[in-house]
Parts: sequence; C-alpha cells; structure tokens
Amino acid sequence: EPEVTQTPSHQVTQMGQEVILRCVPISNHLYFYWYRQILGQKVEFLVSFYNNEISEKSEIFDDQFSVERPDGSNFTLKIRSTKLEDSAMYFCASSDTSGYNEQFFGPGTRLTVL
Amino acid sequence: KNQVEQSPQSLIILEGKNCTLQCNYTVSPFSNLRWYKQDTGRGPVSLTIMTFSENTKSNGRYTATLDADTKQSSLHITASQLSDSASYICVVSRAGGSYIPTFGRGTSLIVHP
Repeated sequence: EPEVTQTPSHQVTQMGQEVILRCVPISNHLYFYWYRQILGQKVEFLVSFYNNEISEKSEIFDDQFSVERPDGSNFTLKIRSTKLEDSAMYFCASSDTSGYNEQFFGPGTRLTVL
Repeated sequence: KNQVEQSPQSLIILEGKNCTLQCNYTVSPFSNLRWYKQDTGRGPVSLTIMTFSENTKSNGRYTATLDADTKQSSLHITASQLSDSASYICVVSRAGGSYIPTFGRGTSLIVHP
C-alpha cells in the first residue's frame, strides 16, 4: 500500500541553524501539505502546495519557512533560522485532489531545537 | 473565530465496550468534517470524511454522525479493542476559498483489557 514517507525521523539542531525536512508523497498525488504539532498541543496547518506553488499558508508560515518540490518525488520544508519554539513534530501529507478528499499523513519528523 | 471543541478530553473504557466522542464546531461556512485516529508518535490516519449533506458514515467499527444544523458531530466506536487506544481528532474545513482546516485538540482514548 502506498504511503507518505518522511526523513529524518528525528532532527536535533542548534538555535539559529537551518533545517530541511524531507517528504516523499504518494506518487500519483498532486496536493501536498505540511502540518506541525507541538508536544501536547493540537495539529496546526502550515502550508498547502499544488502545481509548484503555495496554495495557502497559515499565520505560522512566516518568512522563516519555505517549501519546495525539487524533483518529481520529494517535497521539502525549510526553516531558515530555527527558534526554540520551532521544536515540534512536523507532518507531511498528500492527497490526489484538494479540499474534500482524504489526506494521507506521513509518520512525522520530530524537530528538537536546542 | 473558527473553533473545534472536542469532548471528553480523555476517556478510559474496558475492552469490548462502546464509546462515543463528541465534536462541536463554529467553522463557517462548512465544507467537510473529518475524524482522524492518531497513535502516539505517529501521523493521523483518516477514519471518515463527511460533507454537509451526509449525516452518518461508517468505517468498520467506527461510525461518525453529523448534524450540520447544530454544528455537532460524534464518533461512535463499537466493541472497542486494545488497538483503539489513540487520540481521535476532529477536523473541520471551511467552504469557499480558504481550505485551511481547523483541528480539535483530540480525545485521548485508552482501552483497558
């Protein structure tokens, strides 16, 4: 069964460093998403991506964040200068159509900023 | 403000028993409501998706209901199993323009043998 994969599973970084979180969405999906979940809190939407551009982004997704689909399979989230409060679980998701249809989530990357 | 409130915050039941989780929302205009199951340290897995015109949807032992007039949904789990222990999250999306979904905090369900 096809699934969304994410690497690394755990990333530890120093405050101020850049990190890139990687995702491989399900191969025939066209819509891609990043979410985050701070420990003990609810999942929060960051950004949606379609046709090589951002469709929507939340208030959380400020200039420190960027997304890219560098090739036909990978979807990345870059945080330019990490802050302590960026420590969270980051989930990638994909869907074959937008909005209504089911989104498939990856297992997440746990980001720890020291 | 678009909000999704879930109750109870946590629930402990014995294996084999049924339970019902609640979700109230203020998201408007309404597009769809989803229930997800999230195991600890894992990504959410979709259980059901309902639009305005659907008032019940089942997925195995999971049955979701939706009352769009009162803006309430419930997730009923029948004959619970130990593997049902997880967080159950209600997510509501708006119609017209912005897709951005609003997540509830989830109900933590523990099933004891």
